[in-house]
Amino acid sequence: NAGVTQTPKFRVLKTGQSMTLLCAQDMNHEYMYWYRQDPGMGLRLIHYSVGEGTTAKGEVPDGYNVSRLKKQNFLLGLESAAPSQTSVYFCASSYSKINIYEQYFGPGTRLTVT
Amino acid sequence: KQEVTQIPAALSVPEGENLVLNCSFTDSAIYNLQWFRQDPGKGLTSLLLIQSSQREQTSGRLNASLDKSSGRSTLYIAASQPGDSATYLCAVNTDKLIFGTGTRLQVFP
Repeated sequence: NAGVTQTPKFRVLKTGQSMTLLCAQDMNHEYMYWYRQDPGMGLRLIHYSVGEGTTAKGEVPDGYNVSRLKKQNFLLGLESAAPSQTSVYFCASSYSKINIYEQYFGPGTRLTVT
Repeated sequence: KQEVTQIPAALSVPEGENLVLNCSFTDSAIYNLQWFRQDPGKGLTSLLLIQSSQREQTSGRLNASLDKSSGRSTLYIAASQPGDSATYLCAVNTDKLIFGTGTRLQVFP
């Protein structure tokens, strides 16, 4: 049982390049989330999904897109990277309703945009 | 708008001390509150989850309390150890998690 895994762990992009971050969970969780963590600002929710085939915007969705084609995977895409997207990205999942169940986090992806 | 504040931002203590970390939030309409630990360069590990109807939760040397009406939670760490050194984050659940900026704890031998 690997829990929540993220690929890649590190990435450096040039401004304007695109990339996709992959999150996978093997706990059969319905809900999945993408956060970014910046110094002095805590974690902020980018997008989330309440089940396969669904996505919804979080607090800071601009510049990102997501897809949940399979229940176990949640992809975060950057179509045209900007230096402001330099951050550490965390994926999380929870079994069901987030007002009851705790969230489990992946190890993070450190992204630098130059 | 829900805001979560953690005080102090950093704390350095000798091994063996009992510690209290504070978390305050501005809107008492929460479902639950979760405390996390984050080691440098790592992800978040859930420590304790307190539902809004509960007053406290305990796990080993950790005890978290919740006073929803006053918008406060505390994380009590008994007999601190160097291995407890990490950043501790609290997050309130208002159908999504709103995080504080954390307390960076260092426990020295």
